[in-house]
Amino acid sequence: QLQLHESGPGLVKPSETLSLTCSVSGDSINTSSYYWGWIRQSPGKGLEWIGSIYYSGSTFYSPSLRSRIAMSIDTSKNQFSLRLSALTAADTAIYFCARSHGLAMQWYLYWGQGTLVTVSS
Amino acid sequence: EIVLTQSPATLSLSPGERATLSCRASQSVSSFLAWYQQKPGQAPRLLIYDASDRATGVPPRFSGRGSGTDFTLTITSLEPEDVAVYFCQQRSNWPPELTFGGGTKVEIK
Repeated sequence: QLQLHESGPGLVKPSETLSLTCSVSGDSINTSSYYWGWIRQSPGKGLEWIGSIYYSGSTFYSPSLRSRIAMSIDTSKNQFSLRLSALTAADTAIYFCARSHGLAMQWYLYWGQGTLVTVSS
Repeated sequence: EIVLTQSPATLSLSPGERATLSCRASQSVSSFLAWYQQKPGQAPRLLIYDASDRATGVPPRFSGRGSGTDFTLTITSLEPEDVAVYFCQQRSNWPPELTFGGGTKVEIK
């Protein structure tokens, strides 16, 4: 059974860079059949798509976050990662990683349980 | 950015009643629309994609319809376990950008 698990610091300081990793178990990430995505949820902005990555490393990013994000994929470790720079309090949210429904990069069928990230000094 | 507006904000119904949730897009999204269910403390669950296709394991009491700018999620006979917040989500054509609606909270009377 596919499982996704987010890991990273729960507390980061303003202006710093957040690094999150999604570890995938139960299936290989090295497949042409799916996209892998990051979505966040905050009380103020609701659900917000951050970006999506393919096994080849090609990416789609949210236009509003594009200048601050970088996604990568490590097929040898069966995980993918997110880096978000120049953090502000507005980046405080629960961050989810997810796998797409087939090759449709827009629909996310499998989700991790989410990890809370708080941006505060 | 395509904005999705959901209504009502809260829906309070008795078990067995029909629930109708609305999602309106600020411009046409064709059939690139999905519905998710989120219960407290859980990740969203994909219910409907491509406006009307049910995801695997989703009970047939959930159905979606619509195209262009107006979409509806219907729960034909509300069950207590359907208490949740429901979100719609769209994909713009190119470059792909995904946005979510603000959600409709479904409560049981």
